[in-house]
Amino acid sequence: SYELTQPPSVSVFSGQTASISCSGDELGRKHASWYQQKPGQSPVLVIYQSTKRPSGIPARFSGSNSGNTATLTISGTQVTDEADYYCQAWDTSPGNSYVFGTGTKVTVL
Amino acid sequence: EVQLAESGGGLVQPGGSLRLSCVASGFTLRSYEMNWVRQAPGKGLEWVSYLSSSGGTMYYADSVKGRVTISRDNVKNALYLQMNSVRAEDTAVYYCARPPHSGYSAYDGFDLWGQGTKVIVSS
Repeated sequence: SYELTQPPSVSVFSGQTASISCSGDELGRKHASWYQQKPGQSPVLVIYQSTKRPSGIPARFSGSNSGNTATLTISGTQVTDEADYYCQAWDTSPGNSYVFGTGTKVTVL
Repeated sequence: EVQLAESGGGLVQPGGSLRLSCVASGFTLRSYEMNWVRQAPGKGLEWVSYLSSSGGTMYYADSVKGRVTISRDNVKNALYLQMNSVRAEDTAVYYCARPPHSGYSAYDGFDLWGQGTKVIVSS
């Protein structure tokens, strides 16, 4: 089955840039979504189709996807961005399923 | 207001059954592809099941295949997940989730989530 691997944790100083990677076989050929989840809350979509931001999501969130790696970048990270982040992709081989990444805890110092 | 509200969770014994419900407000459920996603305590998100907008196509994660059934009631504007032969590893918060757009939307992620309903499988 298809797997998406993320680093367990990323630390960033407030105001700096955080980059979270998501690795999967030929992930660049798929579209990645990214979610933010704070403790006790439901996930929030922050990036879809690898690079697009839903309305209401701050411009400091951006995404890229190439080769085997999708990346979520948070520019000018704020304390409020401290959360768990998950990537997601739609896999059609061999069956049809959504796959979530292993998740990354972002800590803002 | 556009929202999803799950219910039906609770304590169930191993081998037992449970039906989770997800009632939609502010939009017509049958216009969207819908999904169930779960999260075990302290763990990450795991996709569970998908139902097409036509209602004719369902997909399941390997971990639940053969034990769960996704369905929809267009009159009640509700989505369901029937869980049978539950196991300890089914213990999780279960969310229903909707993509941003109606119709085909496999690449668009889920922009609407419910608050989740907790399922605990224990004797």
